[in-house]
Amino acid sequence: SQQGEEDPQALSIQEGENATMNCSYKTSINNLQWYRQNSGRGLVHLILIRSNEREKHSGRLRVTLDTSKKSSSLLITASRAADTASYFCATSPGGTYKYIFGTGTRLKVLA
Amino acid sequence: EAGVVQSPRYKIIEKKQPVAFWCNPISGHNTLYWYRQNLGQGPELLIRYENEEAVDDSQLPKDRFSAERLKGVDSTLKIQPAELGDSAVYLCASSPWGRTGTNTDTQYFGPGTRLTVL
Repeated sequence: SQQGEEDPQALSIQEGENATMNCSYKTSINNLQWYRQNSGRGLVHLILIRSNEREKHSGRLRVTLDTSKKSSSLLITASRAADTASYFCATSPGGTYKYIFGTGTRLKVLA
Repeated sequence: EAGVVQSPRYKIIEKKQPVAFWCNPISGHNTLYWYRQNLGQGPELLIRYENEEAVDDSQLPKDRFSAERLKGVDSTLKIQPAELGDSAVYLCASSPWGRTGTNTDTQYFGPGTRLTVL
C-alpha cells in the first residue's frame, strides 16, 4: 500500500515558471524525502526534511512540511526543461525503518 | 564513485519462466533494498537487507519470489515462475549504515530492470 499521494498527478508549465507539487500522507512520520525520476531511469534523491523541521531549501528547491495537516509541498523555482520528470515523496512512518513512496507528480516543463 | 549497478536493463520472458535480477550496491553501503515499480506508480518495497540479513521481507511474495545477498554485497532477486502481473520495473537501491538507529539515510537507486512477461 502507498501512504503518500502527490497532487497534482500531472503538471505542465512554461520554462521559467514555478512548479508546486504536494504530498499528503496518513500516519505520523520520522521524516519525508523527495525524489526525482527521469523517464526510464532510477530515482534521484532531492531533499530530506525531518518531522521537527518546517521548511528546507536546496538550490531552486523549497520544501515545506506541515505535520498537523500531514502534508508537504515541493516548490521548484524558475523551472527548466531539464526539470521534466516525475517527482515522488517518500515518508518514513514513525517507529519503522522503511520508506513508503507516493504515486508521483509528472512534471513537464515546456521550452 | 560508481553508482548502483543493475543487470540486465531489460528482460522479456514467457509466463511461467524463471527470471533473475542482479544488483551491485555502492561500495560500503550496508543497506540494500529491492523495489517493484508498476507503470505510473511509485516504488513499492519488496525486501530490505542490512548486510546479509533480510530485516524486512514482509512484502515479498514468498511463493514465487526469493532474494539473497551473499557476503553482504551483491544481491539477486529471483522470480519463479513469473506471472503476467509481474511485469514492472525492479529497482535496487542502497544506503549507508544508519548510525543513529533510525532510517534517515538517502537511498541511491540503480537504473532498474524492466521486466515484461508475455
